[in-house]
Amino acid sequence: AQSVTQLDSQVPVFEEAPVELRCNYSSSVSVYLFWYVQYPNQGLQLLLKYLSGSTLVKGINGFEAEFNKSQTSFHLRKPSVHISDTAEYFCAVSHTGGGNKLTFGTGTQLKVEL
Amino acid sequence: GAVVSQHPSWVICKSGTSVKIECRSLDFQATTMFWYRQFPKQSLMLMATSNEGSKATYEQGVEKDKFLINHASLTLSTLTVTSAHPEDSSFYICSATVGVDSPLHFGNGTRLTVT
Repeated sequence: AQSVTQLDSQVPVFEEAPVELRCNYSSSVSVYLFWYVQYPNQGLQLLLKYLSGSTLVKGINGFEAEFNKSQTSFHLRKPSVHISDTAEYFCAVSHTGGGNKLTFGTGTQLKVEL
Repeated sequence: GAVVSQHPSWVICKSGTSVKIECRSLDFQATTMFWYRQFPKQSLMLMATSNEGSKATYEQGVEKDKFLINHASLTLSTLTVTSAHPEDSSFYICSATVGVDSPLHFGNGTRLTVT
């Protein structure tokens, strides 16, 4: 079984500032890692994913994440945020060969302020 | 891109009635669909995995007789909340995929309020 911890429930940040949303996972087997964004009353949209290869993954909307196996982390970063980035962000994990069965973290609310 | 349509987007029903939520893949054939439940300010919890033409696999703690799932075609899965009660009020989200380890595509969710 695997689990995902998102330590920050809320992250306030000013527009054009950098941001990092933290994600740590626990698993006894190899995993795939994902970040999703959810806007109010909507489903989830994939930001980026790590399956294998380069540990630095670039996604949509200027986001990137780095897989760190030794620290079991997959933190999400953006060098300069916009008001439109205000949303809920979920980190998720599935084990390789898990057939898309995702385990989600509790989410981090990113609030971008002027 | 792949689109998943979920209907209705919101529904209010009286306690004791049943509600059906549809999840459709519009431009691809979804061999597998997943149903999640999300409480306010919380994460998504997987309820069940639905494969076309076979019985759904429910997660531990999810009542299969209360949450009926049907995946009768490669483009449609339905979730029926039977004899709904106020504690069933939640945001229900589906996702669909063409196959194992293929990308997941999410619907926009259905907000169910049981009065």
